[in-house]
Amino acid sequence: SAVISQKPSRDICQRGTSLTIQCQVDSQVTMMFWYRQQPGQSLTLIATANQGSEATYESGFVIDKFPISRPNLTFSTLTVSNMSPEDSSIYLCSVGTAANYGYTFGSGTRLTVV
Amino acid sequence: ILNVEQSPQSLHVQEGDSTNFTCSFPSSNFYALHWYRWETAKSPEALFVMTLNGDEKKKGRISATLNTKEGYSYLYIKGSQPEDSATYLCAFSTGNQFYFGTGTSLTVIP
Repeated sequence: SAVISQKPSRDICQRGTSLTIQCQVDSQVTMMFWYRQQPGQSLTLIATANQGSEATYESGFVIDKFPISRPNLTFSTLTVSNMSPEDSSIYLCSVGTAANYGYTFGSGTRLTVV
Repeated sequence: ILNVEQSPQSLHVQEGDSTNFTCSFPSSNFYALHWYRWETAKSPEALFVMTLNGDEKKKGRISATLNTKEGYSYLYIKGSQPEDSATYLCAFSTGNQFYFGTGTSLTVIP
């Protein structure tokens, strides 16, 4: 299965600023997924990133708040923009399918907004 | 959004105890049920994927069962060890989408 390097592993940010999270995969993949886990909540899909097209966002998530780049088949970034304390979460990138094989995940970015 | 529930939310057990937790999911649109183990600062690690009603999977001291008709899966850990301390996530798959539970946080006390 794919190996994903995600960084930063954690950060503490001031409200109103932005943070960009990077994920590098060791093989080419068609789709990459970005998830968020707020404290006490489920892992929730933010968006699906396809190479060469705009990301597809889930209900409740918008491009202006979470812009995503997917410049090639092995790399993606997620930016958390104009942060507020409610954005304090663990952010995970993943690759795979919702079919039998499931997902492989990065190690996560633990974000605290103060 | 489909509702996937896990219980208990957290659990503390003594080393050597056996334990189990539950994942409840919708019984319709079922494709697969996944279990992940997530240690702090590490990637969630896939434990099992089950697709058929009655499936039982085992990996060392950890096993899982699946009942798709009533919509639940159990994860069992036999003889818990401190290294089993982690959050255990289940994910319900429709084949197109994953829906995660909130996880069960297990702490094994030496």
